[in-house]
Amino acid sequence: IAGITQAPTSQILAAGRRMTLRCTQDMRHNAMYWYRQDLGLGLRLIHYSNTAGTTGKGEVPDGYSVSRANTDDFPLTLASAVPSQTSVYFCASRRTSGRTGELFFGEGSRLTVL
Amino acid sequence: QKEVEQDPGPLSVPEGAIVSLNCTYSNSAFQYFMWYRQYSRKGPELLMYTYSSGNKEDGRFTAQVDKSSKYISLFIRDSQPSDSATYLCAMSDLSYGKLTFGQGTILTVHP
Repeated sequence: IAGITQAPTSQILAAGRRMTLRCTQDMRHNAMYWYRQDLGLGLRLIHYSNTAGTTGKGEVPDGYSVSRANTDDFPLTLASAVPSQTSVYFCASRRTSGRTGELFFGEGSRLTVL
Repeated sequence: QKEVEQDPGPLSVPEGAIVSLNCTYSNSAFQYFMWYRQYSRKGPELLMYTYSSGNKEDGRFTAQVDKSSKYISLFIRDSQPSDSATYLCAMSDLSYGKLTFGQGTILTVHP
């Protein structure tokens, strides 16, 4: 089934550890995004990439980094995890042609930092 | 103040009720307005999409945008238990590069 695959689906992590959340899409969408979702705060944009080789900062980028080496993959790295990064992380993609701007989301990665 | 405000609820209604979900926003550059539905432990999925002011109907769902009041609504007629989910409003400017989301409203429709 075409779409976005995120891994891991769930992870418990000790504070200070490095963690990479993986995201792969097979829709050949140009733009990709990482959001975090917290109760009462909704979805907040962490980083985005409009096309392979480019990235940009969203609303809450501190403590996170991304890379976009090719069209399909957009990993999110926490260099040194802290408890405030406990959240559900969603990767999304969007084709940049057309006018709908619809985002397609993965199923999420649930991260707990202790 | 957040750019997009949405009452988080939770909202609980009986089956068959009409549900009204709302968002207000402050950025007058927003032109594209969307509603996403998110089932428990799943990613959000696009439910409705409108451009600028006006109404759009799709089956039991109607989306309304009032740009003069910076207010958008989603109405669900004849609500069903399968409509139980979190509903998120989202909007973007003409570049539609990034979406700004509301906090999400948790809806439960009980039989």
